[in-house]
Amino acid sequence: DAGVTQSPTHLIKTRGQHVTLRCSPISGHKSVSWYQQVLGQGPQFIFQYYEKEERGRGNFPDRFSARQFPNYSSELNVNALLLGDSALYLCASSPKQGVNYEQYFGPGTRLTVT
Amino acid sequence: KQEVTQIPAALSVPEGENLVLNCSFTDSAIYNLQWFRQDPGKGLTSLLLIQSSQREQTSGRLNASLDKSSGRSTLYIAASQPGDSATYLCAVVKTGTASKLTFGTGTRLQVTL
Repeated sequence: DAGVTQSPTHLIKTRGQHVTLRCSPISGHKSVSWYQQVLGQGPQFIFQYYEKEERGRGNFPDRFSARQFPNYSSELNVNALLLGDSALYLCASSPKQGVNYEQYFGPGTRLTVT
Repeated sequence: KQEVTQIPAALSVPEGENLVLNCSFTDSAIYNLQWFRQDPGKGLTSLLLIQSSQREQTSGRLNASLDKSSGRSTLYIAASQPGDSATYLCAVVKTGTASKLTFGTGTRLQVTL
């Protein structure tokens, strides 16, 4: 079975632009979470979606938004890009929302803002 | 606010050695703790998940322990190999935060020949 997939792999954008990152969870998984990992640090939680509803949000500005589709795939959108948004964006899926489920991560999207 | 610390930040050992990586967290009200491996520029690979009611989990050469009351977890790697070289991250799910993972900054491990 395919794991969590993310696209694109790499992306270069200019300050002020908008970006959309995509994630497909493991088949049968209904919960998707997004994390931002700046170089040298651990990932920081951005959003969690379950059954197409936002179930959790981290300490990120409103420039960050996300949604989940009926097939459980998800998009992360970032508006008005800043240099500080340069990071590895990770998507994780789990079978359900809940604390007892292991989370599985995708390979990430490397975003560079110039 | 939950804070997760990993010590040491970096570690270099010769092949064949047994080693221990440490993870501490400030709030003991956690549901579970998960250990991950990350290769440079790559995503995270889940290694072990320990529920708050458990004391340890084992997978092959890896053994993770959890002492919730003291806010500590250790990842023991037996008979290390060069292929074990990576960054190891621990993460906790705090009570009341759904399944949000709070990560440490990781331990970068290098196993030399």
